[in-house]
Formats: sequence, structure tokens, C-alpha cells
Amino acid sequence: GEDVEQSLFLSVREGDSSVINCTYTDSSSTYLYWYKQEPGAGLQLLTYIFSNMDMKQDQRLTVLLNKKDKHLSLRIADTQTGDSAIYFCAESITDSGGFKTIFGAGTRLFVKA
Amino acid sequence: DSGVTQTPKHLITATGQRVTLRCSPRSGDLSVYWYQQSLDQGLQFLIQYYNGEERAKGNILERFSAQQFPDLHSELNLSSLELGDSALYFCASSVMAGGITDTQYFGPGTRLTVL
Repeated sequence: GEDVEQSLFLSVREGDSSVINCTYTDSSSTYLYWYKQEPGAGLQLLTYIFSNMDMKQDQRLTVLLNKKDKHLSLRIADTQTGDSAIYFCAESITDSGGFKTIFGAGTRLFVKA
Repeated sequence: DSGVTQTPKHLITATGQRVTLRCSPRSGDLSVYWYQQSLDQGLQFLIQYYNGEERAKGNILERFSAQQFPDLHSELNLSSLELGDSALYFCASSVMAGGITDTQYFGPGTRLTVL
């Protein structure tokens, strides 16, 4: 089956690191994504990782992929109040000769000043 | 700004009514996707169109329908509205039909409130 699961809430202090975790079930996942949704806005692609990679770093963002455990994480270094948002994990899987993207329910990140 | 536009931003209507949500994809994108985001269901994929044709179907109710026009804009029609249809409806677009590198870009959403 296809399912992407995330914890619903995370609260951190400004300046600390945030780690948002995600698990997925479909072993045919090819790309895994992190999207950010700020209040009142649409989803914005933050970063993605191909399933044959273990890690990807992009400025303050680090994505770690454990394919054996089907576990994906997003680490935000030096978290700022502007990072407060909902973060969605998503996987792109093959489906009936095509592809589809399955989203998790989103993790709401609260950053305390 | 993702380049995807959606109208209207907010819509308030009554149960039993019918509404149409509109989406214009990014210039050059051929695929349009519709999603429903509600508090209890999270982000649910509804339907995808590619170059005017239905490409993939998700958890779309029979009361809902969509189409993509020759100019590639898309409309999502919601009929016989119920209170539970109150949600944010997002449109996304991508260049291709959904390949593994085919990133989706999301619009700002239409907030539908059914009273």
C-alpha cells in the first residue's frame, strides 16, 4: 500500500536545529520531497532527494534517507521564526505505467523566540 | 510566487449549491493537479489532467468533476455541496505527465466554506 506518515507537531526554540521525520511504505519510491506551507499560502517545494542517495544538503537544510527503514528526515539548522510552517513529506511512486505523488499529513513546526 | 494562479481566493456558499474553482498553470506546464486539504483528512489528491485529458484519479467524489481546456487552464466543479466539503482546494501544475523528476508547483489555494 501507499502511505506517508509524519508526526503532526514539532516545537523548537529559535537557533536550535529542527528535525522532521517521515516514513513511507512504497518501496518503488523514486523521488522523495519536502514541501513547506506557510499560513494562507500554497505548498512550496523545499528540496528533494533521489532514492539512491543517502543525504542531500542545501544551505540550512539536510535531508537524510534510510531506504532500508523507509525513513526520511529533514533537518533545519539554526531554526528561525520564519521557518514556522507546515512541512509535508511526499513520495513519487510508479502507478499503472505512470507516476503519482503521495503526500503525508504534514508536520506543523512552531518556532519559539 | 509559483506562477500558478487560482480564483477565487475565498468562496462561501450554502449546502446543496454548486461552485466552480479555476486554475491557471505556470506557462509551459501541461499537467494540472487538484488537491483538497482539510483539517481531518490532510492533503488529498483528487485528479490530474495532462494536455486536456484526464491522467490520474485519486479520492475524488462523484459529486466533483474537473476539466482542462485547450488553453490548459482547469476548472474543478463541486456540486451538491455538503458541510464536509469545506476545505482548501489547491491546484498544482507540472511540465510533464508526472515523471519522477516532474516537480509540482502549487497555487495559493481556494478556501471553500460551506454553511
